[in-house]
Amino acid sequence: AQSVTQLDSQVPVFEEAPVELRCNYSSSVSVYLFWYVQYPNQGLQLLLKYLSGSTLVKGINGFEAEFNKSQTSFHLRKPSVHISDTAEYFCAVTISGAGSYQLTFGKGTKLSVIP
Amino acid sequence: ETGVTQTPRHLVMGMTNKKSLKCEQHLGHNAMYWYKQSAKKPLELMFVYSLEERVENNSVPSRFSPECPNSSHLFLHLHTLQPEDSALYLCASSSGQGAQETQYFGPGTRLLVL
Repeated sequence: AQSVTQLDSQVPVFEEAPVELRCNYSSSVSVYLFWYVQYPNQGLQLLLKYLSGSTLVKGINGFEAEFNKSQTSFHLRKPSVHISDTAEYFCAVTISGAGSYQLTFGKGTKLSVIP
Repeated sequence: ETGVTQTPRHLVMGMTNKKSLKCEQHLGHNAMYWYKQSAKKPLELMFVYSLEERVENNSVPSRFSPECPNSSHLFLHLHTLQPEDSALYLCASSSGQGAQETQYFGPGTRLLVL
């Protein structure tokens, strides 16, 4: 079975500073990887996903993530954050190619952008 | 109305009550999901329906009973719940070809069991 670890439960960062949210996964087979964002009192929204191809994936709102197979990581980055990026971010993984509906989430990282 | 909607947004119930959560998607998707989101725990997948058939059931207690009458509607029937069932219940939908497809989430129902 696959698992996801988000080491940082909370990340405070000043406005316009860069940020990296860390995600490591564990799986014995190939995986697809995702980052979802949850704004207060809302459901989750997809930021980006890696299925295959280029290991650098660009998403919405200026976010990007890099798939590193050797380090089993999929860290999320943004070069300059805005107040509106304050939210909780979830990394998720599923087994590739199997048609599985099982999406395994990490515990989430709360990003707080400080003015 | 677009996207995924959930009603009610908030629900308080006693342990002997019976209630139902409703989810509706307006995206033409074929798969629908129920998740449980508790504080300090990862999102837990509860049930998945694809083309109105249940394809995933992650060892959820029988006091939770899903129903999918058509591809646009999903219900979660609740009875004799426990206080530890208090959580945010999220519904999602996708095009129905597996978890690699983007899931679109509703805003959730905040449930409190007294």
